[in-house]
Amino acid sequence: SYELTQPLSVSVALGQTARITCGGNNIGSKNVHWYQQKPGQAPVLVIYRDSNRPSGIPERFSGSNSGNTATLTISRAQAGDEADYYCQVWDSSTYVFGTGTKVTVL
Amino acid sequence: QVTLRESGPALVKPTQTLTLTCTFSGFSLSTSGMCVSWIRQPPGKALEWLALIDWDDDKYYSTSLKTRLTISKDTSKNQVVLTMTNMDPVDTATYYCARILGPNPGTRAFDIWGQGTMVTVSS
Repeated sequence: SYELTQPLSVSVALGQTARITCGGNNIGSKNVHWYQQKPGQAPVLVIYRDSNRPSGIPERFSGSNSGNTATLTISRAQAGDEADYYCQVWDSSTYVFGTGTKVTVL
Repeated sequence: QVTLRESGPALVKPTQTLTLTCTFSGFSLSTSGMCVSWIRQPPGKALEWLALIDWDDDKYYSTSLKTRLTISKDTSKNQVVLTMTNMDPVDTATYYCARILGPNPGTRAFDIWGQGTMVTVSS
């Protein structure tokens, strides 16, 4: 089965840039979506189809996807960006989520 | 406004069958491209996709759980039901339903989620 690997944690200083990676075999050929989940809350879609932002998501969130790695970038990180982030793709008629990354804003 | 709400038992015993209902509003599951899916999350762990049903009544299941899962819809009631048989303590998790839309499964994202319902499996 297809696997998506994310770093367990990423730390970023307030106002700086955080990059969260999502590794998968030839993931660049797939559409990658990203979700933000704050403690005790349901996930929220922040990036769809690699690099598109739903309405209401700040421009500080951006995405890219190439080769074996997709990346979610959070620019000018704020305290409110502290959360778990998950990538997701479709493969072999199933949906697959990544292992999740905890982002800490210092 | 699109909303989804999960309902079902908070506690089930091992070997029992779990039945969860997702009641939604703001869209119709008879509209082309509309789908509803179930996802779960054990405490402190990652999201795990379970099943999906689309507007055309096509169904997709997690490979590892497909023998235990059944998803169905009642379009007139705006509900999607998930049953999971032979429950085990490892199935303890928050269960979410979510809308997912688009004609192509490969491009779809879960755009609206319910708040989730916690299910504990214990004797």
